[in-house]
Amino acid sequence: GQQVMQIPQYQHVQEGEDFTTYCNSSTTLSNIQWYKQRPGGHPVFLIQLVKSGEVKKQKRLTFQFGEAKKNSSLHITATQTTDVGTYFCAGGVGSNYKLTFGKGTLLTVNP
Amino acid sequence: DTEVTQTPKHLVMGMTNKKSLKCEQHMGHRAMYWYKQKAKKPPELMFVYSYEKLSINESVPSRFSPECPNSSLLNLHLHALQPEDSALYLCASSQEGGTGSNQPQHFGDGTRLSIL
Repeated sequence: GQQVMQIPQYQHVQEGEDFTTYCNSSTTLSNIQWYKQRPGGHPVFLIQLVKSGEVKKQKRLTFQFGEAKKNSSLHITATQTTDVGTYFCAGGVGSNYKLTFGKGTLLTVNP
Repeated sequence: DTEVTQTPKHLVMGMTNKKSLKCEQHMGHRAMYWYKQKAKKPPELMFVYSYEKLSINESVPSRFSPECPNSSLLNLHLHALQPEDSALYLCASSQEGGTGSNQPQHFGDGTRLSIL
């Protein structure tokens, strides 16, 4: 079945440092979504990427979708304590509804 | 604040009990989802309803029974659960996408379920 690998599993940074999490799919994706889940909270939608090579920015967050639509990354510049949480990528392959989630990257930030 | 409301927030039940989880959204979304999430794991899809009809059942045991009474409500009926069913149960909703097109999913706060 389809798999989405996500690394690293954990990342601890000092406030102000950059952070990147990577996702790689075993199959070509129709789209990829990113979610953030704060400790004790629920997943919150961040962004969706659809086009090959697409790059989108949200303030300090930069999202990329690879040319082959098999990999994606989320980069946070100058992390803040409010960035703490687990970041999940979730890939779609032709189903209107089903997303395959990566295992997530837990980001902790030392103030 | 979440636009998908789930009740109850916490539930403790015995293995012989029957209970129901409830989910409500008023965003006009026609797709609704149930997920199960264990600690430090990603959400696992259980069921999807589209236009109040069951569209996806991810081979979920029959002790979990979903119901979609109308376009705003989604229930999950629980009966004879096992300790390993203890988890966070998340409801989500989304707009209907075009063929092969996923839509962003809006999650509720979840129900934290403990089976004794």
